[in-house]
Amino acid sequence: DTGVSQNPRHKITKRGQNVTFRCDPISEHNRLYWYRQTLGQGPEFLTYFQNEAQLEKSRLLSDRFSAERPKGSFSTLEIQRTEQGDSAMYLCASSLVTGPDTQYFGPGTRLTVL
Amino acid sequence: AQRVTQPEKLLSVFKGAPVELKCNYSYSGSPELFWYVQYSRQRLQLLLRHISRESIKGFTADLNKGETSFHLKKPFAQEEDSAMYYCALSGGYSTLTFGKGTMLLVSP
Repeated sequence: DTGVSQNPRHKITKRGQNVTFRCDPISEHNRLYWYRQTLGQGPEFLTYFQNEAQLEKSRLLSDRFSAERPKGSFSTLEIQRTEQGDSAMYLCASSLVTGPDTQYFGPGTRLTVL
Repeated sequence: AQRVTQPEKLLSVFKGAPVELKCNYSYSGSPELFWYVQYSRQRLQLLLRHISRESIKGFTADLNKGETSFHLKKPFAQEEDSAMYYCALSGGYSTLTFGKGTMLLVSP
């Protein structure tokens, strides 16, 4: 499968714990995006990278959230001191900026904070 | 600020009936509009984008700047069209702003 992959697919954690998600984009895609989706809502933008540079962050991304893309390939999204309100589906997408810039989405990581 | 509105949470039609999924947007500049679809237990995928002016799986969408709309249409719905449909907008940056989605149910 050469599509966007995300791990883990499901994560259950207790309030106050830290969690980290990983996204592997389509090979050679230089843009990588993180979105969050809660029940009944469409995906909401969190942040995006072009290569290793984080170019934009949403106001939704509180200081408990941090994302990295150290080598311009895979990316991690960490949530510190999780809260019940962080429970959501976290989606990753990638695109090739020199092409039509179509975003290809991964399957998502579903986070449940107890 | 940019916003996408999909007024219907659920649209239920019979097979062979015409379908129109509504999408209105708010954006001060020149937007790029998309329709994404999510079939059951599958990932979100691009259905079509307005600049391509394509017809995908029989669906079409026309950007109406005067009415700030980008409605998705299909003349004859099929059962396999049942899915969640999201309208999305890309403004000055590459990030997407999504609507809340419309669930389309096509009954036999």
